[in-house]
Amino acid sequence: EVQLVQSGAEVKKPGESLKISCKGSGYSFTNYWIGWVRQMPGKGLEWMGIIYPGDSDTRYSPYFRGQVTMSADKSISTAYLQWSSLKASDTAMYYCARQGAGSPTYYFDYWGQGTLVTVSS
Amino acid sequence: DIQLTQSPSFLSASVGDRVTITCRASQGISSDLAWYRQKPGKAPKLLIYAASTLQSGVPSRFSGSGSGTEFTLTISSLQPEDFATYYCQQLNSYPRCFGQGTKLEI
Repeated sequence: EVQLVQSGAEVKKPGESLKISCKGSGYSFTNYWIGWVRQMPGKGLEWMGIIYPGDSDTRYSPYFRGQVTMSADKSISTAYLQWSSLKASDTAMYYCARQGAGSPTYYFDYWGQGTLVTVSS
Repeated sequence: DIQLTQSPSFLSASVGDRVTITCRASQGISSDLAWYRQKPGKAPKLLIYAASTLQSGVPSRFSGSGSGTEFTLTISSLQPEDFATYYCQQLNSYPRCFGQGTKLEI
């Protein structure tokens, strides 16, 4: 069974750093992309970017490039999303999701349960 | 960047109704479109990809059509679990953005 399990909810202060995780199981982790999607409170889905754990190739949305960093450790089938200096506007639910490696499989077919990040002083 | 516009943003319907949601792309994206359903407090779920291909396990009351710039998601007979928010996503080019969502309410 394909599963993506994300790390737990975080409460941080502005300016702090954070790294959240997404562990894949039940499939070949290095043969699929992992994407990250932001959902701010009461708002829609925002595509942040994707990473290919096989070689750590990344594609960022221009809006999120420089704001977050995606990484992956294929030895433990885990992808990460990190911030070096959080802002209150980073408060959101963050989802990871699996994406296929070739057309027409660029959709997200499996999703993690989400990690709620709250940034407040 | 490609923009996606869904209509309507809100839709009221009843169990058993047939409903259609539209997604328009700012430029042609062939059939590179997916649809998702998100129930409150849950992660989105893939319904349709390649504009009209039903994801495995998704009920046949869901169907998708379209190509180029205009796409539709149709639910033939609404069930209680279908009252949720629906999103389209373009898969043609980066960034692979989502539409703003359509909230389907009872």
